[in-house]
Amino acid sequence: DAMVIQNPRYQVTQFGKPVTLSCSQTLNHNVMYWYQQKSSQAPKLLFHYYDKDFNNEADTPDNFQSRRPNTSFCFLDIRSPGLGDAAMYLCATQTSGTGEQYFGPGTRLTVT
Amino acid sequence: EDKVVQSPLSLVVHEGDTVTLNCSYEVTNFRSLLWYKQEKKAPTFLFMLTSSGIEKKSGRLSSILDKKEPFSILNITATQTGDSAVYLCAVPSGAGSYQLTFGKGTKLSVIP
Repeated sequence: DAMVIQNPRYQVTQFGKPVTLSCSQTLNHNVMYWYQQKSSQAPKLLFHYYDKDFNNEADTPDNFQSRRPNTSFCFLDIRSPGLGDAAMYLCATQTSGTGEQYFGPGTRLTVT
Repeated sequence: EDKVVQSPLSLVVHEGDTVTLNCSYEVTNFRSLLWYKQEKKAPTFLFMLTSSGIEKKSGRLSSILDKKEPFSILNITATQTGDSAVYLCAVPSGAGSYQLTFGKGTKLSVIP
């Protein structure tokens, strides 16, 4: 089935140790998003790709980077995770021209 | 800045009750309004509304948009414990962009 897949579902990392979260999609959507969602809060957009064009939100910390090597894959790199980066990270895709975004199951990141 | 305000923030009802969740928004360039249901995982899409006054329906859930006010409501009739979740309202925001601005959500708890 066409879907948005995120790996791993749960990630534990140490303070300051770089971590990479991955997202893949079989929907062939040209737009991909990374959101950060903390407990009891709405998802907060970190950045998005429109095809290969990268768009960073103004308040996304430099600690967060992203790569999109091809249409299907997108990665979120956290260079030096802090305790405040513990959250659910959601990947979503969208086909241009519609408002609907399809979310992956999320990766829950714990920072110890 | 685009804004989405949901009310109430939380709601506790008994099984069988009917609930109405509210979403008001301010957006520069309105294209659509979306409702998502989020249990302990990623949001799942419920409805996308683009036109005023046209009700969208899926089983016991229905939603309608009023672009004049502007707001949307999500109705759930004959609630079940499986309806317990956070319901998120979102609008695509930014001229020419595809980001979603989310409300903080309404946490619905349905008790037997």
